[in-house]
Amino acid sequence: KAGVTQTPRYLIKTRGQQVTLSCSPISGHRSVSWYQQTPGQGLQFLFEYFSETQRNKGNFPGRFSGRQFSNSRSEMNVSTLELGDSALYLCASSFPGQGGDGYTFGSGTRLTVV
Amino acid sequence: QQQVKQSPQSLIVQKGGISIINCAYENTAFDYFPWYQQFPGKGPALLIAIRPDVSEKKEGRFTISFNKSAKQFSLHIMDSQPGDSATYFCAAREDTGFQKLVFGTGTRLLVSP
Repeated sequence: KAGVTQTPRYLIKTRGQQVTLSCSPISGHRSVSWYQQTPGQGLQFLFEYFSETQRNKGNFPGRFSGRQFSNSRSEMNVSTLELGDSALYLCASSFPGQGGDGYTFGSGTRLTVV
Repeated sequence: QQQVKQSPQSLIVQKGGISIINCAYENTAFDYFPWYQQFPGKGPALLIAIRPDVSEKKEGRFTISFNKSAKQFSLHIMDSQPGDSATYFCAAREDTGFQKLVFGTGTRLLVSP
């Protein structure tokens, strides 16, 4: 079966711009979570969506936002980009309540802010 | 606030040797402890996971040892192979029904031929 698909794979943006990243979960998975991965901080939880509702949010500024559509696809948006936002953004999907064993990550979107 | 501390940061092991990565946590509400393996250009993939009601879990060459009283858990890779060269992350999750994982900072493992 198809895995978690993240698009685009690579992005280069300028400071001050905004960016939208997309995540298509595994078919049937309704929970989508986003993580930021950087060399210094590792993987940091951004937020989780289920049934188009944000269920949980990490400690990131309001510039980071997301949404989920009725087909469970999710997008995250970062406004007013800063150099420190350069990172690998990972999306993970699962069946809600299935437990962590069902958590599947995509390959990520590599965002570079210049 | 780093809730899961992972060590070492990097590790070099000879082929056939044992790789050991350690993690420690503070939050006693954690009830699920997975290990992820990540290759360059890929997302993390679940390797093996344990819950605190058992002290050890083994899957092939990979074993998790769990010490609830010490709030520590470790990954042992037996008979390490060059193909095991990757970054390994420990993680933990609270029993809240949500999927939020708290990750360690990762260990870059290199298995020399």
